[in-house]
Amino acid sequence: NAGVMQNPRHLVRRRGQEARLRCSPMKGHSHVYWYRQLPEEGLKFMVYLQKENIIDESGMPKERFSAEFPKEGPSILRIQQVVRGDSAAYFCASSPLERIPGELFFGEGSRLTVL
Amino acid sequence: RKEVEQDPGPFNVPEGATVAFNCTYSNSASQSFFWYRQDCRKEPKLLMSVYSSGNEDGRFTAQLNRASQYISLLIRDSKLSDSATYLCVGVYSGGGADGLTFGKGTHLIIQP
Repeated sequence: NAGVMQNPRHLVRRRGQEARLRCSPMKGHSHVYWYRQLPEEGLKFMVYLQKENIIDESGMPKERFSAEFPKEGPSILRIQQVVRGDSAAYFCASSPLERIPGELFFGEGSRLTVL
Repeated sequence: RKEVEQDPGPFNVPEGATVAFNCTYSNSASQSFFWYRQDCRKEPKLLMSVYSSGNEDGRFTAQLNRASQYISLLIRDSKLSDSATYLCVGVYSGGGADGLTFGKGTHLIIQP
C-alpha cells in the first residue's frame, strides 16, 4: 500500500521539547500539505510544499513552527519548544503534480500530546 | 469570518433511513466543493465531488445550490458503517493550499 505515510503515529513530549513529524507522500505525488486538527475542531491548513519549496505557509504560526520538504526524504513538520496548546492531530496530505484542487490523499495522522 | 459552516450534529438516524445535511458557504467565488468522510480518530477521505448538476454515487447524492450558497449530502438506506463525521470542503481562488477550506464536520450516528 503506497499511501501517504506519517510517523510517528503518536508522540508524547514535555513542554519545551521539540517535536518532529514526518510525512512521505504517495508515490508519484509532488505536493505535500500539513493540517492541524484540534479536538472537536475542523482541519486547519498550515503549510503547502513542493520539493525544496514552500508554496504557501499562511497557516503556520509565526514562531516555533517550521516545515520542509527536501529533495530527498520525507517532509518534516518541526515544532520547537512545544506547549500544551500544540497537542493535536497533525495530518499530512499529498496530491500529484497535475492535481485537481480539492482532491487530497491524507495520511493517518500524527497525534501529539504535550504534557 | 467562517467560509464554510456545518451543523455539527450529532444526527442520530435509524438504520435504513434516509438522512440529509447541508453545508453553507459564504464566499460566492467558491469554485468547487467536495464531501470528505472522517471516521473517529482516522484521517479524512474523499467521499465525492459536488457539481452544479449534482452527483450521485450509489446511495450518496451531493447537490450544489449556488443561488442559496449551500451544498447538501443525501444518504439513502443508511448503514451502520455510514456512521462518521462528514466534512464539507470549499475550493476558492486566493486561499491557502489551493484555496481549500474545511468545515468542522457533521457527526452522523446510524443506530441499529
